[in-house]
Amino acid sequence: GENVEQHPSTLSVQEGDSAVIKCTYSDSASNYFPWYKQELGKGPQLIIDIRSNVGEKKDQRIAVTLNKTAKHFSLHITETQPEDSAVYFCAAIVSNYQLIWGAGTKLIIKP
Amino acid sequence: ETGVTQTPRHLVMGMTNKKSLKCEQHLGHNAMYWYKQSAKKPLELMFVYSLEERVENNSVPSRFSPECPNSSHLFLHLHTLQPEDSALYLCASSQEIGNNEQFFGPGTRLTVL
Repeated sequence: GENVEQHPSTLSVQEGDSAVIKCTYSDSASNYFPWYKQELGKGPQLIIDIRSNVGEKKDQRIAVTLNKTAKHFSLHITETQPEDSAVYFCAAIVSNYQLIWGAGTKLIIKP
Repeated sequence: ETGVTQTPRHLVMGMTNKKSLKCEQHLGHNAMYWYKQSAKKPLELMFVYSLEERVENNSVPSRFSPECPNSSHLFLHLHTLQPEDSALYLCASSQEIGNNEQFFGPGTRLTVL
């Protein structure tokens, strides 16, 4: 079946540094790629998404890049802050409505 | 808050019990979802409803039975569960099914003894 691979599973960075999380997907027909952030005791929350007609999207300190040829997409967080500590999930849409999710990356921001 | 509430937040049940999880969305959305979240695994889509009609049933065992009485409420009825069903069960809603933002509730932490 279709799948999304996400790496790394854990990422520890110094406060103020950048963090990059990478995902690959298998369904070449996928055209929507969201990123969700999950804090302890809460459900996932959308932080940014990208559609296949663009290669990059930015929102303040967060950016997402998409390489459709390689079927890769990445999340970039700059100037990391303590409140960025959470689990981040990538996903890709298949079958027009079903999201296939990565296994998550636990991001730890060291003070 | 996301506008999606789930009750109960925690549930412990034996394998012979019957219980129900409840989800309510206050966003006027037309699509609702049940997901299973296990540690260090991808979220698993269980059921999708669009305008109260079930769209997807991802080969979920019959011991999980969903119910969508209206577009604002979603239930997951549980019976004769197994210990491996212990997980966080998340409800979500979106304006329509498809490439739309999904809004998640906080989840129900289920433990099956």
